[in-house]
Amino acid sequence: KAGVTQTPRYLIKTRGQQVTLSCSPISGHRSVSWYQQTPGQGLQFLFEYFSETQRNKGNFPGRFSGRQFSNSRSEMNVSTLELGDSALYLCASRDRAYNEQFFGPGTRLTVL
Amino acid sequence: QQQVKQSPQSLIVQKGGISIINCAYENTAFDYFPWYQQFPGKGPALLIAIRPDVSEKKEGRFTISFNKSAKQFSLHIMDSQPGDSATYFCAASKRGSQGNLIFGKGTKLSVKP
Repeated sequence: KAGVTQTPRYLIKTRGQQVTLSCSPISGHRSVSWYQQTPGQGLQFLFEYFSETQRNKGNFPGRFSGRQFSNSRSEMNVSTLELGDSALYLCASRDRAYNEQFFGPGTRLTVL
Repeated sequence: QQQVKQSPQSLIVQKGGISIINCAYENTAFDYFPWYQQFPGKGPALLIAIRPDVSEKKEGRFTISFNKSAKQFSLHIMDSQPGDSATYFCAASKRGSQGNLIFGKGTKLSVKP
């Protein structure tokens, strides 16, 4: 099976702009979680989607949002970008019958 | 409040030695404890995981030891190799929130030839 894919891999934006990141889960996996990874805060949970519904949400401002489509693909959006949003954004997929989460390579977002 | 505390931050081990990374947690509702390995420029890769009803789990050179009463778990890498040089993360999740992994801060392991 192909792994989790994320596009784009790299992105450069300026403050105030918005950005949309995409994630395609492993075939058959219907749960998708998003994480932010920074050197200072480490890996932090953003949100989880299953069957097009947000199931859990981390402690991030409302500028961070996401959605999931009927084919389980997911997108996350960050509006009004701030310098502190520069990070590696990781997507992980899971077969909901199991705990194991499998991560994609991430999207490196740089905000100038 | 850091729910999963990981130590040490960095670790240098000689080739063939044993690498030991420790994690402690506070929330007794956690029921799943995975370890991830991350190389630069890559996403974390699941190494091995354990549930609290088991005290030890071994897969190849990797072993998790789990102490439920102390709320601690550790990763042991036997016969460490230079290719094991990476950052290792412990994590935990609760039943009903399996999609929400709480991660430790990570341990950067360097295995010297």
